[in-house]
Amino acid sequence: DVVMTQSPLSLPVTLGQPASISCRSNQSLVKSDGNTYLNWVQQRPGQSPRRLIHMVSTRDSGVPDRFSGSGSATDFTLKISRVEAEDVGVYYCMQSTHWPPLTFGGGTKVEIK
Amino acid sequence: EVQLLESGGGLVQPGGSLRLSCAASGFTFSTYVMTWVRQAPGKGLEWVSGITGGGANTYYANSVKGRFTISRDDSKNTLYLQMNSLRAEDTAVYYCVKGGWADVWGQGTTVTVSS
Repeated sequence: DVVMTQSPLSLPVTLGQPASISCRSNQSLVKSDGNTYLNWVQQRPGQSPRRLIHMVSTRDSGVPDRFSGSGSATDFTLKISRVEAEDVGVYYCMQSTHWPPLTFGGGTKVEIK
Repeated sequence: EVQLLESGGGLVQPGGSLRLSCAASGFTFSTYVMTWVRQAPGKGLEWVSGITGGGANTYYANSVKGRFTISRDDSKNTLYLQMNSLRAEDTAVYYCVKGGWADVWGQGTTVTVSS
């Protein structure tokens, strides 16, 4: 199975400041169709997870443009340009290239300083 | 609007069984891969099982293989997870998830395995 490794584990951020989360996979996430199925999932406190970004950089419907995804092959990043209070929660990277199984990173907890 | 509504969770003794259900609406259920993902208390997300559209193929995490069975009834737009021989480590919130890309998640149903 593909192993997903996220850093940092915890990310204290000042409101209005940027935040960046790294995700690495132990094998390439480029599928035979040429696409890379790396997704980002947000879980706010007490809520169910919600997908934010799919295929590395495409924001899901309703996701603010302060969220952006980038990367290729085995190295990916989620950036929040200016953190808002509603962004508090845990963020997971998730690969679906080598399904089954879906595999998730360990999560990064974003909190306000 | 796409919706997934799980039910069937509860408190069960070790060795017991439960069947989870997930009622889907707002999309053509029969054409989609469906997935169960769980989250133990204070822990991260763990893929449990998946089933292809139409139910021809099923897949399981090693941790549940031989104990859990995923199935679907496309005439009822419903996904199931039959859980047998439950263990304390199966205690978690279980989420029903649409698609292999996990684009929509349900609100979850809580399973507690304890004596």
